[in-house]
Amino acid sequence: DAEITQSPRHKITETGRQVTLACHQTWNHNNMFWYRQDLGHGLRLIHYSYGVHDTNKGEVSDGYSVSRSNTEDLPLTLESAASSQTSVYFCASGQLREQYFGPGTRLTVT
Amino acid sequence: GDSVTQMEGPVTLSEEAFLTINCTYTATGYPSLFWYVQYPGEGLQLLLKATKADDKGSNKGFEATYRKETTSFHLEKGSVQVSDSAVYFCALGANFGNEKLTFGTGTRLTIIP
Repeated sequence: DAEITQSPRHKITETGRQVTLACHQTWNHNNMFWYRQDLGHGLRLIHYSYGVHDTNKGEVSDGYSVSRSNTEDLPLTLESAASSQTSVYFCASGQLREQYFGPGTRLTVT
Repeated sequence: GDSVTQMEGPVTLSEEAFLTINCTYTATGYPSLFWYVQYPGEGLQLLLKATKADDKGSNKGFEATYRKETTSFHLEKGSVQVSDSAVYFCALGANFGNEKLTFGTGTRLTIIP
């Protein structure tokens, strides 16, 4: 069965470190998305991609970057982790505005 | 810009009670509307959708009708079960060609046996 996976599931890092969260999908979707989920804010879009070598900023993109070198993967990099980036991160892929979500990565920045 | 407003939670109901979770939206054009559900420790799953006015989406006993005149997409279920305990998100997808979704803040639902 097709799926979308994220790794690691939990991560603790220190302020100032670079962190990369992995996202891998086997749906063969062109569209992939990264969100963060925080209490009281719901899901907020960080970055998204509509295909290989395409990346776009979402509403909360500062401090984050993505790259898309193939259809299956969209890694999310925190260039210099800050305590404000402590959150649960969800990756999604989809088409025709239906999105399929991964299980999430809980990131704590100390 | 586009926005989704959801009923504030948390909501606590007894098993077999009737459920309504309100959702209203602001958008230009003709958006698609979605309800997603998030069970504890998991990612979001698509529950149902409607792509045009007066469409009714339904799944697992849940229903929602796309009401353009009231810009609403309220989620309903006639008889809830303990297994329905989760967080529910209303979402809006803008016009065709734009794959992004705008989510509401979520409503936590707890069903008591």
